[in-house]
Amino acid sequence: QQQVKQSPQSLIVQKGGISIINCAYENTAFDYFPWYQQFPGKGPALLIAIRPDVSEKKEGRFTISFNKSAKQFSLHIMDSQPGDSATYFCAASKSDSGGKLQFGAGTQVVVTP
Amino acid sequence: DTEVTQTPKHLVMGMTNKKSLKCEQHMGHRAMYWYKQKAKKPPELMFVYSYEKLSINESVPSRFSPECPNSSLLNLHLHALQPEDSALYLCASSQEVSPDYGYTFGSGTRLTVV
Repeated sequence: QQQVKQSPQSLIVQKGGISIINCAYENTAFDYFPWYQQFPGKGPALLIAIRPDVSEKKEGRFTISFNKSAKQFSLHIMDSQPGDSATYFCAASKSDSGGKLQFGAGTQVVVTP
Repeated sequence: DTEVTQTPKHLVMGMTNKKSLKCEQHMGHRAMYWYKQKAKKPPELMFVYSYEKLSINESVPSRFSPECPNSSLLNLHLHALQPEDSALYLCASSQEVSPDYGYTFGSGTRLTVV
C-alpha cells in the first residue's frame, strides 16, 4: 500500500518551460515532505523540503507548494533546463518514524532542448 | 568530505557466493541506512543504524546481514542470494535518525545475482 501517491509517471517539457509534479498522502501524522532528485547511475539527492506549517517554499528555480487541507504537495521546476532531466521522488515522514521515509513512485522528467 | 562512498560499484555473484558491500562516510553522521532500489522504482528501506546500533530491520530476509563496525562504516553481507535480489543497493547517512536532516546517499552498488 503506497502511502504517498505521485503523478505523473513521466513528463516531457521544453527548455524554459515549467515542470509540475504532484503528490498526495493520507497519513495526517506526516510532518516532513522532501523531494529527491536522482540522475541515472547515482543515488537520490535532497532537492528541497517543506513542513506542513508552510504553504510554499522556494529555492532557486524549485518551488514546493503545500496544501494541508487537501493533503497534497507539488514540485514546480521553473525555467526547466536539460540538466534537470532526472527522476524526481516526493517523500513523507513523521517525527517518530525512526528515520523512515515513504517515497512516492517517482516521476521521470525529460527536458528537451 | 561530504560524500558517502560505496564499494564496489558493480558486483556479479552466484547464488552460492558470499560477498559484502561496503559504505563509508566521514561527515560525523550518526545514522546510516541501507536501501534497495529496483529499476524505475523508489528506494525501499532495508536497515537503519543509529549510533552503531541496528534500530530498524524492515523484515529483510536473513540472507542480507548488516554490520556497523564503527561510526563511519557500514557493511552489508550477502549470502545465498536469489536472482530477484538483483538491484541497486544504496547506502545513506544523516546527522541523526531523522529524515529532517536530509539523507546523503551514495551512488550505490549495482548487484546482479546469476
